[in-house]
Amino acid sequence: GQSLEQPSEVTAVEGAIVQINCTYQTSGFYGLSWYQQHDGGAPTFLSYNALDGLEETGRFSSFLSRSDSYGYLLLQELQMKDSASYFCALERASKIIFGSGTRLSIRP
Amino acid sequence: DTEVTQTPKHLVMGMTNKKSLKCEQHMGHRAMYWYKQKAKKPPELMFVYSYEKLSINESVPSRFSPECPNSSLLNLHLHALQPEDSALYLCASSQDRASGSYEQYFGPGTRLTVT
Repeated sequence: GQSLEQPSEVTAVEGAIVQINCTYQTSGFYGLSWYQQHDGGAPTFLSYNALDGLEETGRFSSFLSRSDSYGYLLLQELQMKDSASYFCALERASKIIFGSGTRLSIRP
Repeated sequence: DTEVTQTPKHLVMGMTNKKSLKCEQHMGHRAMYWYKQKAKKPPELMFVYSYEKLSINESVPSRFSPECPNSSLLNLHLHALQPEDSALYLCASSQDRASGSYEQYFGPGTRLTVT
């Protein structure tokens, strides 16, 4: 089967760093993406890893290890506007499969 | 223009009604998608159109009927829905995989309530 597991909730302090993990049970996929979704909004693309290693995009970085079936999203210099749900997603064939989602809450 | 638009934003319909959701993009994307999202859950893929042909149907009940009139438009026709079909319906588009693209662009969604 195909499943991607994430922690359901994470709380962090403004200005801090937080890591959101994603573990999966599948093989033969193109890459791992991360999407952000604010309440009432649409998912928006953040980052993509086709290969193992770290990809950095501003305050956001994403990591993939295919051998460990694991990835993470790292958010630095947290801002209140980063409070949202974050989904990892596997790209396979002609579709993407979303993880269970992590609700990130930022405290002042 | 990197926008996917969806209409209507909100829709309330009875179980005997027929309605349609519409999605439009002008980014030249050749893949378009319908997702269903329940509160506090991830989006669930329903249909994928590639080059205006239906390529994936994720075992969606026939009361949902997709249509792709041209490369910019995607419709979802609704008929005899059930209250459990109430959800946010998201449309997305992307370039074809052969071009190396992986990012999906999502519309704002239609909030559907079935009474």
